[in-house]
Amino acid sequence: EAQVTQNPRYLITVTGKKLTVTCSQNMNHEYMSWYRQDPGLGLRQIYYSMNVEVTDKGDVPEGYKVSRKEKRNFPLILESPSPNQTSLYFCASSLFVGRGGRTEAFFGQGTRLTVV
Amino acid sequence: QKEVEQNSGPLSVPEGAIASLNCTYSDRGSQSFFWYRQYSGKSPELIMFIYSNGDKEDGRFTAQLNKASQYVSLLIRDSQPSDSATYLCAVKVPGRRALTFGSGTRLQVQP
Repeated sequence: EAQVTQNPRYLITVTGKKLTVTCSQNMNHEYMSWYRQDPGLGLRQIYYSMNVEVTDKGDVPEGYKVSRKEKRNFPLILESPSPNQTSLYFCASSLFVGRGGRTEAFFGQGTRLTVV
Repeated sequence: QKEVEQNSGPLSVPEGAIASLNCTYSDRGSQSFFWYRQYSGKSPELIMFIYSNGDKEDGRFTAQLNKASQYVSLLIRDSQPSDSATYLCAVKVPGRRALTFGSGTRLQVQP
């Protein structure tokens, strides 16, 4: 089954404790991205990757890191989480190239992160 | 002014009716327009995309684009309770890698 898998689904952590949210896709997609979703603000892109070892900032990259060592995996790293990073996070991947570039077609199940 | 605006709803329609969801955008140069459906507690799911002015139909769904008026709509014919979800409008703005999403419209289809 084609899917994007995120782990963990739920996470409560304390300020400053480094954490990693994993994302893996089994569709051989080159393009992957991370979004956060906050009430009233919609989905906002954090980072994206066009291929292995090719990553770039999205609209809200501050406080996050990513890496793309393998095509299937695109982990999101919070080196020192803060309460304003409490959010619902989605990983996405795609082969879809619409007019204007890549478009997110498959989203993972989401990770609800709470930083206290 | 938000770049992509949607009425948050809820939009309530009876089963079998046509649900009309609207979205306006601010950048006239926008080229690509997408509709995602998001059930409560689930991830967004791409259901439609449209590039050119006019209508695009896919089953019970029709996307309508009017670039002169800067709006895009999603019509759902013969609405079913299973269509109850939040519908997200997303726009590809020139010069930006990411899609710009609206905050979504919550649709409730009453049996």
